Amino acid sequence: QMQLQESGPGLVKPSETLSLNCTVSGGSISSYYWSWIRQPPGKGLEWIGYIYSSGNTKYNPSLKNRVTISVDTSKNQFSLKLSSVTAADTAVYYCARVSAGYKRSGFDYWGQGTLVTVSS
Amino acid sequence: DIQMTQSPSSLSASVGDRVTITCRASQSISSYLNWYQQKPGKAPKLLIYAASSLESGVPSRFSGSGSGTDFTLTISSLQPEDFATYFCQQGYSIPRTFGQGTKLEIK
Repeated sequence: QMQLQESGPGLVKPSETLSLNCTVSGGSISSYYWSWIRQPPGKGLEWIGYIYSSGNTKYNPSLKNRVTISVDTSKNQFSLKLSSVTAADTAVYYCARVSAGYKRSGFDYWGQGTLVTVSS
Repeated sequence: DIQMTQSPSSLSASVGDRVTITCRASQSISSYLNWYQQKPGKAPKLLIYAASSLESGVPSRFSGSGSGTDFTLTISSLQPEDFATYFCQQGYSIPRTFGQGTKLEIK
């Protein structure tokens, strides 16, 4: 059974860079798209971006200038960096796999989520 | 960006009820529509993909329909474990966007 696990600091200072990793186990990271999605406390879901195992990326334009997603296939891991954070970036951050197949565009495996708080 | 609007935002129902949640896209998304269930403190769970296809392992009381701009999620007979928040998500264009959620509560 595939599992995803987010890791990284739970507290980041304003103006600094948020960095998270997602480790994939129970399957290969190859040949899939992988996403980061966030959810501010008590609010809805926001797609941050995704990366293919080859390294091709797409980002949400609302965050594009601040976000970088990268992949390390040797570690079966992908990562998120979000620069110049503010309190508005406080959220639970999820990593997720994009389903593969005809007309499949959803997220079928998710990490448990990690709360990142932006505060001095 | 494609805006996804769900209705209602909250809903009270009883065990055994039939419930329908609606999701409307601001432009046509063909059938690139997914539904999720989220319980407090947990990650969302994919229920329905491609508007009407049941994800593996999801009970058959869940069903989806629609295409273009209007979609519905139906739970045929509510079970206690179905009380949760439901989100729709479009997979037609970038950025991927979600509805604001429908909170299903026990009456």
